[in-house]
Amino acid sequence: LAKTTQPISMDSYEGQEVNITCSHNNIATNDYITWYQQFPSQGPRFIIQGYKTKVTNEVASLFIPADRKSSTLSLPRVSLSDTAVYYCLVGDRGTGGFKTIFGAGTRLFVKA
Amino acid sequence: EAQVTQNPRYLITVTGKKLTVTCSQNMNHEYMSWYRQDPGLGLRQIYYSMNVEVTDKGDVPEGYKVSRKEKRNFPLILESPSPNQTSLYFCASSSRQETQYFGPGTRLLVL
Repeated sequence: LAKTTQPISMDSYEGQEVNITCSHNNIATNDYITWYQQFPSQGPRFIIQGYKTKVTNEVASLFIPADRKSSTLSLPRVSLSDTAVYYCLVGDRGTGGFKTIFGAGTRLFVKA
Repeated sequence: EAQVTQNPRYLITVTGKKLTVTCSQNMNHEYMSWYRQDPGLGLRQIYYSMNVEVTDKGDVPEGYKVSRKEKRNFPLILESPSPNQTSLYFCASSSRQETQYFGPGTRLLVL
């Protein structure tokens, strides 16, 4: 399984763009990169998934360089409600049926 | 509505008293997993299942059992709970093409 490394925590202010980078040096050819968001006492929620280059949806963008050894989750114009823990996972697209390692995640705190 | 349900949501029990936490999904997903979450340790996988009758150990399987007799259900069994199994438990399901959907969590306290 590819191990991931993320910053433990980040602070931001409302309205700013936040970029969280995840390192995954041992990513395998078939692996996808998936990001989840978790609020206290709730289950993680899928944010975005990608394989290479750039993926954008209504809540975030995911930037993956050509070597795929890292990825950056970009949250545009964060609000107080974006305060949460963000997890980067690397593995099979579905992942849920395989051995999965979540890691400690990045705790994002958005201030007014 | 696509969802993963867990029951009970909260449970207080005593050491050694067998308990089962149920998990059910209505999305016809092949894959299901159980995780526990403890402060400072993130989410750790207990068991996972790739299909009916196919299960395997995650990172922290000791003290737990699972079964997958039907596609939609994946119960977590604690035969003899101990205080170190006090935790927040999440069930999740996914398909080959989709990412994981998580249940609302079960908060367990073992006295």
